[in-house]
Amino acid sequence: NAGVTQTPKFQVLKTGQSMTLQCAQDMNHEYMSWYRQDPGMGLRLIHYSVGAGITDQGEVPNGYNVSRSTTEDFPLRLLSAAPSQTSVYFCASSYSATVRAEAFFGQGTRLTVV
Amino acid sequence: KQEVTQIPAALSVPEGENLVLNCSFTDSAIYNLQWFRQDPGKGLTSLLLIQSSQREQTSGRLNASLDKSSGRSTLYIAASQPGDSATYLCAPMGYGGSQGNLIFGKGTKLSVKP
Repeated sequence: NAGVTQTPKFQVLKTGQSMTLQCAQDMNHEYMSWYRQDPGMGLRLIHYSVGAGITDQGEVPNGYNVSRSTTEDFPLRLLSAAPSQTSVYFCASSYSATVRAEAFFGQGTRLTVV
Repeated sequence: KQEVTQIPAALSVPEGENLVLNCSFTDSAIYNLQWFRQDPGKGLTSLLLIQSSQREQTSGRLNASLDKSSGRSTLYIAASQPGDSATYLCAPMGYGGSQGNLIFGKGTKLSVKP
C-alpha cells in the first residue's frame, strides 16, 4: 500500500546544478501536484496536473518544470538550482480535482542548494 | 485570492483536555475543506475531509465542522494525548482557474504534555 512515493528524501545541490525530484502514486489518481514548504510561508503550489499530458502552473512556478507522461508519475525538474529553492518539496495526489478529492501527500524531499 | 488563517499559531495543553483549533478562510466558494496533521520532518497525513454540503465530519476523537457561509472550520480533539502533538493544517479546496488546488493555512502547532 505505497500511496505517494517521493525520491530522494534528501538532496544537496550546488548552485546551477540540475536535478529531478521524482513522485509516483499507485492509486490511479488523476490529479497530482507539487508544493514547497518554507518556514513562515506555509505550503505553496508550484505546478499541478489534472491528468496525463496536462500540466499547469501554480502560485510559484518560476525555476521549475514538470511533465506528466503517465498517470502514475509526476516529476519536478530544477533546471538551474538557486539557493532560493532550498525548501522541503511535497508531492500530492487525489482521485479527481473536484468533489470527494481527498489529497494524499508523500513524505517530502528536503533540498538544500549551496 | 483565498487566504487561510489558523488560530492559535501554537497551543500547549495538559493530557486529557478537550481542545478546538480554528481555521478561517476568505472565499466561501469551496468544494471541500481538508484537515491534516504534520509531524516534525514528515509529510502531511489526512485527518478529515468535509464536503461543502456537509456541516460535520467525525473520525474517532476528531470532529471537524464547516460553516462555509461564514468562512470558518473548527477541529475538535477530545481527550487529547501526547501522541496528538503535531502541527495541524487546514486547507480549503477552491473553484476557479486552479481548480482542485488546496490553499493552506500556516498551521497550529499543538503540544500535549503528559
